[in-house]
Amino acid sequence: GDSVTQMEGPVTLSEEAFLTINCTYTATGYPSLFWYVQYPGEGLQLLLKATKADDKGSNKGFEATYRKETTSFHLEKGSVQVSDSAVYFCALSDRDFGNEKLTFGTGTRLTIIP
Amino acid sequence: DTEVTQTPKHLVMGMTNKKSLKCEQHMGHRAMYWYKQKAKKPPELMFVYSYEKLSINESVPSRFSPECPNSSLLNLHLHALQPEDSALYLCASSQVEIGANQPQHFGDGTRLSIL
Repeated sequence: GDSVTQMEGPVTLSEEAFLTINCTYTATGYPSLFWYVQYPGEGLQLLLKATKADDKGSNKGFEATYRKETTSFHLEKGSVQVSDSAVYFCALSDRDFGNEKLTFGTGTRLTIIP
Repeated sequence: DTEVTQTPKHLVMGMTNKKSLKCEQHMGHRAMYWYKQKAKKPPELMFVYSYEKLSINESVPSRFSPECPNSSLLNLHLHALQPEDSALYLCASSQVEIGANQPQHFGDGTRLSIL
């Protein structure tokens, strides 16, 4: 079945540091890939998405590229801020099964210190 | 502000109570979802409605009863819950488009505590 593997957290960085959160996936069909962010006390917000190989999703300075050859969708940001502290979930939705099921990674808790 | 609105934000109930969680969206989405999220875990899918019909039930105990009265509303009726049901309950919605997976949009959730 489908699965998503994220790097273990928690991750602690200083403000303005470079961020990478690794995500790899296993899917039998043609998945779309997503990064969601969850701030304390809130629900999940869609951060970015990519629907086919080599697509790059970007939003709020975050980027991720859909790499089919390495089955990866790593999240990057060049200069993090304290306000980026949150839990980040990588997820996939497999087209063979319609759009009804999201498979989530375990989440990576990110803390940015001033 | 999220476009999926959930009420109440917090709910404390006893194991013999009956309560309902409500979810509303006005984005014209025809798929709606209930998830359960325990602390430090990803959301777990419970139910999916597509065009107001239940399409997925992930073997959820019958003490949870979903209802979709119309395309904008989704309810989750709760009865005789157990302490292990304490969690954050998230509602989500998405477009339904054949051949292209659309992202799901989440509400802020209802934090449920069972005494």
